[in-house]
Amino acid sequence: NAGVTQTPKFQVLKTGQSMTLQCAQDMNHEYMSWYRQDPGMGLRLIHYSVGAGITDQGEVPNGYNVSRSTTEDFPLRLLSAAPSQTSVYFCASIRPGGGTEAFFGQGTRLTVV
Amino acid sequence: SQQGEEDPQALSIQEGENATMNCSYKTSINNLQWYRQNSGRGLVHLILIRSNEREKHSGRLRVTLDTSKKSSSLLITASRAADTASYFCATDEGNQFYFGTGTSLTVIP
Repeated sequence: NAGVTQTPKFQVLKTGQSMTLQCAQDMNHEYMSWYRQDPGMGLRLIHYSVGAGITDQGEVPNGYNVSRSTTEDFPLRLLSAAPSQTSVYFCASIRPGGGTEAFFGQGTRLTVV
Repeated sequence: SQQGEEDPQALSIQEGENATMNCSYKTSINNLQWYRQNSGRGLVHLILIRSNEREKHSGRLRVTLDTSKKSSSLLITASRAADTASYFCATDEGNQFYFGTGTSLTVIP
């Protein structure tokens, strides 16, 4: 079972560049989300989706866009990278129903210089 | 922010000792979960406790929940070097999961 797959694992961007972080899951989970993890801050929710065609903002959505055209994929786009977006990004998926665990990808370490 | 907070931020113990970490959260919850994160890896689910439960066990893990105090604790008994990791509590509010700031546990062989 692949679970949740994130690509790339590492990325260095220059300020102002754009890029897309990929996330795919093969568990047919409806709910997917993106988090960023910074030292001392824990994980903060960026955007989430409750199903194909439906997305919503989390705690820290500014500077990021998402779309959900299929159940499997939930890409995160940085439109114009800033040094403040240097972080580790995690994608997670959850199967439908309340009280269920989240499955995480291995993370993407992004550095914006 | 709706994040919880773990306490302590860091904990160092000898192998074989017990480790206790605490989590406080801000809003009413349906359930609370604990996750482990090994260095450089994603989070892995450990245990879930529902709001109508007060205590739950899973192997060497014991979780308690006090909804009146909006707090939970995770006890790892007979710790091993392999338990070295960061531990996070998480609450789910509808479709959104909120994580605490984490406790970094080091178990010294």
